Parts: sequence; C-alpha cells; structure tokens
Amino acid sequence: EVQLVESGGGLVQPGGSLRLSCAASGFTFSSYWMHWVRQAPGKGLVWVSRINSDRSSTSYADSVKGRFTISRDNSKNTLYLQMNSLRAEDTAVYYCARENNLDDAFDIWGQGTMVTVSS
Amino acid sequence: SSELTQDPAVSVALGQTVRITCQGDSLRSYYASWYQQKPGQAPLLVIYGKNNRPSGIPDRFSGSSSGNTASLTFTGAQAEDEADYYCNSRDSSGNHWVFGGGTKLTVL
Repeated sequence: EVQLVESGGGLVQPGGSLRLSCAASGFTFSSYWMHWVRQAPGKGLVWVSRINSDRSSTSYADSVKGRFTISRDNSKNTLYLQMNSLRAEDTAVYYCARENNLDDAFDIWGQGTMVTVSS
Repeated sequence: SSELTQDPAVSVALGQTVRITCQGDSLRSYYASWYQQKPGQAPLLVIYGKNNRPSGIPDRFSGSSSGNTASLTFTGAQAEDEADYYCNSRDSSGNHWVFGGGTKLTVL
C-alpha cells in the first residue's frame, strides 16, 4: 500500500524547534519530489516547502524561509522538516505530500501531524 | 501574481450540476489540480492536469481551464461530495506552489 506517515508534532514554546518526519512506503521514494503543506485550525491549505528527488533543489514559502529546512534520506525513505524559531502562527497540522511525476499534482498525502506553538 | 482565488462557498441541489472556479495568473502557464477535504481528513486529489482523475474518483468530477481560470465541475452532485475543495498550482515563478483559499461545497 502506498503510504505516508508523519510524526514529530507536538507542543513547543515560541522560539523553539521541532523536527517533523514523514515515512514513505509502497513506492520508490527516491523517484519523487516531496512537499510539506500546512493547515492552521479552521483555515485553508498552505504550501510550505518542496524538495526534489535527489535533494539537489529545495524551495520554501516566504513565511518560513530561513527558519525551516526540508531534507530527505532516500536510504530511509523518509522526508523531514526542521522547524526553528517557531512562532504562534506556525501552529497547524503539517502534511507531507508526494508530487506525481506529471502535472505537479500532490497525489499521495499523509494523515498529518499537529504542531502547536504556545507558551 | 502568486495567488489563486476561489469563491468561499457554493451550494447545489442534490443531483444537479455545479462548477467551482479558481482564478490566478499562474493558471495561464500551469494546470491546476483539485483536492477534496472532508472534516478531520487529509486532502484527496480529485482532478489533475488537463482533466485527469485518479483511480477511484467518480466520473462526475471533471476539470477544465481557460485563460487564467480553472474549473471543477460536478455533474450530478451527490451528498458525499459535500466538502471543502482547494485548487493548487505552481506560482508564476514556477518554483513555489500555491493553494486557493478553498470553496465549501454544500449539497442541498
């Protein structure tokens, strides 16, 4: 079964750090671009970051650039999001998503992991 | 512009046809993809590319595009189609992605 499973969410104080993981299974992880997307409570989807298949290229939304780092370990079939200098407005469910190899669509999503930034 | 604009809410009578739209400059260069999200669930891809449906998505879902506007059409909407729908594409730079604000579809 093709699957993405996120972990690492939790409660963190403003200014703190957290690392999210996304474990992939059921497909050749190293062949796909991967993304992080977040959704604040009661709000819409917001794209956060993406990494290409061989880790040579990344991009970030302006709201997280310089604070978040996306990475991947193709030997472990795992995607990561290192989040530093966290702010209250980073509070959201974080989803990892696979980009299909055609038409830029996100065809597989994880179930999400909740990050709460609060003192 | 790096924004995609959607109507916040649309309603349709059971069995009728309704179209949800998504507007943005980037849609002149890139196809939109469409996602269904029900409460407490992860998004689900329903339409991508010119007009492609992933396996398992009913054929009452269809997509189209003209100029800066992409559309998702429900031909014969069903009660289970009631959900939030989001469009998505690359932005005009091609190096970032952007989601529309979402449309809440109510089936009456």
